[in-house]
Amino acid sequence: ETGVTQSPTHLIKTRGQQVTLRCSSQSGHNTVSWYQQALGQGPQFIFQYYREEENGRGNFPPRFSGLQFPNYSSELNVNALELDDSALYLCASSLAGFETQYFGPGTRLLVL
Amino acid sequence: DQQVKQNSPSLSVQEGRISILNCDYTNSMFDYFLWYKKYPAEGPTFLISISSIKDKNEDGRFTVFLNKSAKHLSLHIVPSQPGDSAVYFCAAILSGNTGKLIFGQGTTLQVKP
Repeated sequence: ETGVTQSPTHLIKTRGQQVTLRCSSQSGHNTVSWYQQALGQGPQFIFQYYREEENGRGNFPPRFSGLQFPNYSSELNVNALELDDSALYLCASSLAGFETQYFGPGTRLLVL
Repeated sequence: DQQVKQNSPSLSVQEGRISILNCDYTNSMFDYFLWYKKYPAEGPTFLISISSIKDKNEDGRFTVFLNKSAKHLSLHIVPSQPGDSAVYFCAAILSGNTGKLIFGQGTTLQVKP
């Protein structure tokens, strides 16, 4: 059984640029959620995708967007990067209707 | 508005003793709770969970207790091992919304040999 994988592991961008982060869900899982974890804080829910559609969104602006593909993998896109977007971005997969989410190792984004 | 709170940023215990990590919540509509462990440079790892219809769930060395009237849950680790040293997060799910985990700020546990 393959766990959740994310790429890249680290990324450095400058303010105003755009970034795409990728996630492959655990085998058998059809739902992907994205979280942002700032230093010293718990993860904050960005949004969830199920059947290639957004299925719930947290308190993040529209410049945070996502996609889910037919193989259940997912992308997180952030436009017009701001310094405060520097964080660890976590992807989690689950089976629809089940509460437990399984996390990938995360992508560390630094915005300069 | 922090709906899930872990008021102790850190905890240090001796190997072999009990570790007790605490979590408080404010929303009575939470109906499922989870504990995750996180090592540096890794994603959170699921440890144990509990439904609001129960008051205790046990899995090996890990036991979670839920006190709904006090809106409080705790994770007990017995016996504690040095490999348990990590950041522990509690998370809650609102009834009917399995997609969104609401996390506390985390507690750093150090288990000393």
